[in-house]
Amino acid sequence: DIQMTQSPSTLSASVGDRVTITCRASQSISTWLAWYQQKPGKAPKLLIYQASTLEGGVPSRFSGSGSGTDFTLTISGLQPDDFATYYCQQYNAYWTFGQGTKVEIK
Amino acid sequence: QMQMVESGGGVVQPGRSLRLSCTASGFTFENYGMHWVRQAPGKGLEWVAVVGFDGSSIHYADSVKGRFTISRDNSKKTLYVQMNSLRVEDTAVYHCVRDAYRGGRNTMDVWGQGTTVIVSS
Repeated sequence: DIQMTQSPSTLSASVGDRVTITCRASQSISTWLAWYQQKPGKAPKLLIYQASTLEGGVPSRFSGSGSGTDFTLTISGLQPDDFATYYCQQYNAYWTFGQGTKVEIK
Repeated sequence: QMQMVESGGGVVQPGRSLRLSCTASGFTFENYGMHWVRQAPGKGLEWVAVVGFDGSSIHYADSVKGRFTISRDNSKKTLYVQMNSLRVEDTAVYHCVRDAYRGGRNTMDVWGQGTTVIVSS
């Protein structure tokens, strides 16, 4: 099974900050990686797929990069609506999620 | 508006059974594979099972294999999961999720709000 490890688990930031979340796969997954945003009591929302492609309707301040085993999600200019938990997911072999990164208000 | 609404959750004793349903609207249900993904209280997301658009391709996570059965009825636009021999560790919110072909492989795009299953004596 492919394990996904995110860091940090929690991140404190202010509106306007540039935020970076890291995701590492236990083996190479090429670019078969997605990022989701989840707010409390809500369903996850797909933000990025294939490591760097923005899903339709997602603001351009979100970006993704990486390949192989190391990936990043960057939010350039954090907005109030962005405080949430973010999950990475590999879809190279079945589907596995990272444990999540909570972005909270500093 | 694409939507999935899950139902059937509740409190059940260990070893008992429960069947969850998910009714879809706003898209052509029979054209899409469908997943169940769960989230234990305060924990992350765990993929549970997937069924192909016509029901012919099915896969399970090792944690539920042999106990859970995923199925669908395209005429009713409904996805199911029959959960038998439930364990305390199956306690979670169960989400119905649409399969999404993105860039050459299949991930997930539209998620339901979920239904809560609590396994407790």
